[in-house]
Amino acid sequence: DSGVTQTPKHLITATGQRVTLRCSPRSGDLSVYWYQQSLDQGLQFLIHYYNGEERAKGNILERFSAQQFPDLHSELNLSSLELGDSALYFCASSLRQGDSYEQYFGPGTRLTVT
Amino acid sequence: GENVEQHPSTLSVQEGDSAVIKCTYSDSASNYFPWYKQELGKGPQLIIDIRSNVGEKKDQRIAVTLNKTAKHFSLHITETQPEDSAVYFCAASGTGFQKLVFGTGTRLLVSP
Repeated sequence: DSGVTQTPKHLITATGQRVTLRCSPRSGDLSVYWYQQSLDQGLQFLIHYYNGEERAKGNILERFSAQQFPDLHSELNLSSLELGDSALYFCASSLRQGDSYEQYFGPGTRLTVT
Repeated sequence: GENVEQHPSTLSVQEGDSAVIKCTYSDSASNYFPWYKQELGKGPQLIIDIRSNVGEKKDQRIAVTLNKTAKHFSLHITETQPEDSAVYFCAASGTGFQKLVFGTGTRLLVSP
């Protein structure tokens, strides 16, 4: 158990809908990263938050957005969902953003868009 | 940007054999190289990592080596056990925001 929690574990929804994925980092960790894992694209970095502020964006679609709240939990919002958005979504947390600190992954949310 | 290549994509060994997985990276500024193990239905689990100021690191049956000149790093698992069966991912991270760029994964199967 990494100490990172994600809810829900599974999510099934229809095209065009909007969903919110939630992540709670390990106690004391200030950084949250979101990754998408699909069969054809592998593990792809989406976005990084540090202590409530967005710090880096990766291959994140404009239909996707995220935020990190004062209690350091983070939410990833996916809207206008398409079939191709079906994937595993992981968040990871680390202590701080500098000096290459280890990232610990949560169990993931499996999103199925039908 | 950074690109990480990983080989082989699948690896089958007998219990007790050694397994080696190799990765190459493109960005010479990368300075942190973790390895993750992912079991079915679970998130990636950090098993070992190495920083660019170190050439080799060992933790029990697992070791990682780094060749900065050639820009490649490898995971070595000795005395493999069936519970080592999983998908292994290498990753690289540079300075700044520490996003991880992952390799495509190696499916390791250890047969009893």
